[in-house]
Amino acid sequence: DTGVSQDPRHKITKRGQNVTFRCDPISEHNRLYWYRQTLGQGPEFLTYFQNEAQLEKSRLLSDRFSAERPKGSFSTLEIQRTEQGDSAMYLCASSRIPSRDRGSGANVLTFGAGSRLTVL
Amino acid sequence: KQEVTQIPAALSVPEGENLVLNCSFTDSAIYNLQWFRQDPGKGLTSLLLIQSSQREQTSGRLNASLDKSSGRSTLYIAASQPGDSATYLCAVGLYGLSFGAGTTVTVRA
Repeated sequence: DTGVSQDPRHKITKRGQNVTFRCDPISEHNRLYWYRQTLGQGPEFLTYFQNEAQLEKSRLLSDRFSAERPKGSFSTLEIQRTEQGDSAMYLCASSRIPSRDRGSGANVLTFGAGSRLTVL
Repeated sequence: KQEVTQIPAALSVPEGENLVLNCSFTDSAIYNLQWFRQDPGKGLTSLLLIQSSQREQTSGRLNASLDKSSGRSTLYIAASQPGDSATYLCAVGLYGLSFGAGTTVTVRA
């Protein structure tokens, strides 16, 4: 397994266009997360899935944003009618439900390299 | 809302010096605290995870402590090397992590 893969690595688009990012998690990981990071800031949580179920969404995830994980494997994050404020690095991470012998709280996230969005 | 603060924002040290990075958080119900490393233009690499019931974790030259009562964690990196130059981020939570803005470390050869 090569880790968490994200595609595309860079996307430049004009304001008003739609963009879609794809994330392929580590194969045995059943949790998948999306974060957004702007320059000089830490990542901000957007949403997460356990298998195909979207269990939590941040209020940062406006109506223009939608995330899916239809078969519990890869996930897509779509941004409709992009705005300049959407310019950021979009990070995907995955983790697996901890086994009892590792401790119930040991939820270690593995991040992908990110997809950088520039909205002109 | 959980607020996570990392001070200083940047740090420059000569090679061989020990590094001390600070992280503070406002809500002590944190579940876990994690330290990550981020190299420029890249994703995050998990360094250490401290569960809420633990006081510290160690991995090689890295040691992280957690004091929930005071809302603080400290990451120690012993005998720093130029390859340790990166941004170090702390994050608290279980699923939707709250991150600090990071401390950018430069280790001068």
